[in-house]
Amino acid sequence: QKEVEQNSGPLSVPEGAIASLNCTYSDRVSQSFFWYRQYSGKSPELIMSIYSNGDKEDGRFTAQLNKASQYVSLLIRDSQPSDSATYLCAVNDASNTGKLIFGQGTTLQVKP
Amino acid sequence: NAGVMQNPRHLVRRRGQEARLRCSPMKGHSHVYWYRQLPEEGLKFMVYLQKENIIDESGMPKERFSAEFPKEGPSILRIQQVVRGDSAAYFCASSLSGTGLVNKGYTFGSGTRLTVV
Repeated sequence: QKEVEQNSGPLSVPEGAIASLNCTYSDRVSQSFFWYRQYSGKSPELIMSIYSNGDKEDGRFTAQLNKASQYVSLLIRDSQPSDSATYLCAVNDASNTGKLIFGQGTTLQVKP
Repeated sequence: NAGVMQNPRHLVRRRGQEARLRCSPMKGHSHVYWYRQLPEEGLKFMVYLQKENIIDESGMPKERFSAEFPKEGPSILRIQQVVRGDSAAYFCASSLSGTGLVNKGYTFGSGTRLTVV
């Protein structure tokens, strides 16, 4: 059974701090990794994608991938109350048809 | 340049009725994916379709659920004889190509929230 695991949280950080969200996956052949943000009652919004080991930065967001450890993370610097949402980790299925396997999501609360 | 359009946004059905959810992909996209999100859970893949073909329906419940993507018109997810456990948010996404995922991932529509009473 292919799985993507996330701590459901909530993860609470003060405004301005770094929020660190973690995700592990079970399928070693996965090649594409994504982070989606979902506000309550809204649809998931793609915020980061990463395909190679190492870090990828986009504004206040940094995605980190370690394929040997089957681990992907998302760092949010200078966290803002507007970052409060559920963050979903997704991994492509080995069939490479575009099917994604999602984690349960981590709820982030940024307190002013 | 409209994104993925889903309708209706909210749908209420009584137990035993049929629910029809529609998804119009982004212009030029011929691949559609349906996902379901049960309350307090992550998204679960249901089905992947190309025009007039079902490519992968491994996530679809064996009974009462069906999907189509005709040559003309939107993709339809159909749930027959709905039960309370079908209450969920149903999201659709589209892509140019099934393997185009490597570069961009895909964008979801705003979803249909089905409530079975």
